[in-house]
Amino acid sequence: ETGVTQTPRHLVMGMTNKKSLKCEQHLGHNAMYWYKQSAKKPLELMFVYNFKEQTENNSVPSRFSPECPNSSHLFLHLHTLQPEDSALYLCASSQGTSGGSTDTQYFGPGTRLTVL
Amino acid sequence: AQSVAQPEDQVNVAEGNPLTVKCTYSVSGNPYLFWYVQYPNRGLQFLLKYITGDNLVKGSYGFEAEFNKSQTSFHLKKPSALVSDSALYFCAVRDGAYNTDKLIFGTGTRLQVFP
Repeated sequence: ETGVTQTPRHLVMGMTNKKSLKCEQHLGHNAMYWYKQSAKKPLELMFVYNFKEQTENNSVPSRFSPECPNSSHLFLHLHTLQPEDSALYLCASSQGTSGGSTDTQYFGPGTRLTVL
Repeated sequence: AQSVAQPEDQVNVAEGNPLTVKCTYSVSGNPYLFWYVQYPNRGLQFLLKYITGDNLVKGSYGFEAEFNKSQTSFHLKKPSALVSDSALYFCAVRDGAYNTDKLIFGTGTRLQVFP
């Protein structure tokens, strides 16, 4: 799991707070992803960045705002969240070659978010 | 539309017995199939993948999976289960018809191995 790190590991925030989740990959990859994992639901892809460009936004509410300053770092900025946004947020990275259908995604340990 | 189904929420098996965790898929083009495992309070760990070639794929920790095109299945198997294999297992598929990074995950199967 040291290939992809996430901070913080746990976060409790109120609905009016602003916070950010950080992800860093040490694998030399070019694609990074944010997923949401809720109980009893499949993993939901939120955002994809390939070579720092956003290539996928899976109809995510604007209260979630991603940022990818370089290929190694990915942030998820949070503001005015709702209690139903409480979940495990997972970051992943992959090689990001063109035609990347065969790439393997490697995951970080996640940030457990609780919105009060 | 792409989809993955893991029909069992939980699989129980005695230590030392063989285990199977089932997965079926639906895609338009060639399927690229993946298995991941998640231990409590951890992220997903990659186990194995099928892209092309031999239908039997071997992966980490003694796991293997068999790709069956006619049955659109990719079941995960292990000849002899360990208590430490107890975890949540996810099957995922990417549709080779599209140049996409998007992985579609199943809902997960909890494997419980009893001593």
